[in-house]
Order: sequence, then C-alpha cells, then structure tokens
Amino acid sequence: AQSVTQPDIHITVSEGASLELRCNYSYGATPYLFWYVQSPGQGLQLLLKYFSGDTLVQGIKGFEAEFKRSQSSFNLRKPSVHWSDAAEYFCAVMRGGSNYKLTFGKGTLLTVNP
Amino acid sequence: EAGVAQSPRYKIIEKRQSVAFWCNPISGHATLYWYQQILGQGPKLLIQFQNNGVVDDSQLPKDRFSAERLKGVDSTLKIQPAKLEDSAVYLCASSSGQGVYEQYFGPGTRLTVT
Repeated sequence: AQSVTQPDIHITVSEGASLELRCNYSYGATPYLFWYVQSPGQGLQLLLKYFSGDTLVQGIKGFEAEFKRSQSSFNLRKPSVHWSDAAEYFCAVMRGGSNYKLTFGKGTLLTVNP
Repeated sequence: EAGVAQSPRYKIIEKRQSVAFWCNPISGHATLYWYQQILGQGPKLLIQFQNNGVVDDSQLPKDRFSAERLKGVDSTLKIQPAKLEDSAVYLCASSSGQGVYEQYFGPGTRLTVT
C-alpha cells in the first residue's frame, strides 16, 4: 500500500523568505503526486501535480515542486512567501489501477510572520 | 462554474444520535468521493462513487456509516449511531472521471460529537 510522509508538522517563515515543504512517498511504481492547500474553514485546493515527464512542475500561486525518484521525494517550494500563503499543505499520492485512490500525508501547517 | 456544495457546514450532536451530510458535486462530474479528516491528519477516503455505483468503500465503517448517490448526482452520507471518535470534518469531492483526474473539494462539514 502506498503511504506519504510529511516530516514537518509546523513550519514558520518570515514574509519574503523562501519556503520548502518536504514530502516522501512509499509506492512500488511511479506514482501520481499532488500538493493541496487548505485554508481555515475551506476545502482543499490543488496547487500542482506530477504525472510524468519533466520532474520540475509549476503550479498556481508561484509554487513549484520537484520529483526525485532516487529520494522518493516531491518537495514543494516557493521563492518568496506571502502572508496569504499561511495555510495547511498536504502532499498526496495516487495509485493507478482499479480506483485511483488518493492517499494524503498528515499535512504541514505554515505560519508566516510579518 | 459552481463548485462542490456541502451542507450543513457545522453540526453538533450527542453520541448515539444520527446525522446526515449532503453533497452536490460539480455539474457533469461522474465520480464523487467522501473523505473524513480528523484534526491533525490528512483526509482519508471513506467511499468513492462512479455515477451511482460504489467503486471503493473499503474504509467505510459499515456498521454505522452509510452513503448513497441516487440518480448519480448528489449524495448523502449518514452516521447512525455516532461515536465520539466520529468528530471530524467530512469532505466531499468530485472529478470528471475515474482515473488521474483532478478532484475538486467542497468546504466540508465539521461534525462535533459530544
């Protein structure tokens, strides 16, 4: 069964600083990988996804992520964080096959200091 | 385009009572998902529908949870009787097909069982 690990429960950065959120997955084949963001009281919004091809993927709101097969990682990055980026971020993996089930990590809560 | 609608947004009940949640997916989306998100964790898939048929309900506690999607459009998730550990946010999502398609999430229903 696939699993997703987000090692950092809570990260605090200053506005304007760079950001990297870590994600490691466990899955036998090449996975489909996703990053979602959840603001308080809101549903999840897709930031970006990786299916195949270029291992550096661009998403919305200035986010990008890099797939590294050798490290089983899919880290999310942003060069300059804005106060509005404060939210919870979830990495997810999808297994192909009969039902394409999404498995989420436990999330990383991002706090942005002014 | 209207997003995924859910109601109610908040619900407080006592243990052993019953509760129902409603979800209306994005128009034309054939696949509908119900997730349970316990505080501090990522969403966990409870049940997946393709049109009005169940694709995956392997993590649905069937002794107390039930879900239906009559006519392949909106869906209802019911808990009867509720337990304290059912306190969570219940998220509904939909996608245009079954496979590697983006899932669009509703705002969720926050359930508190006292």
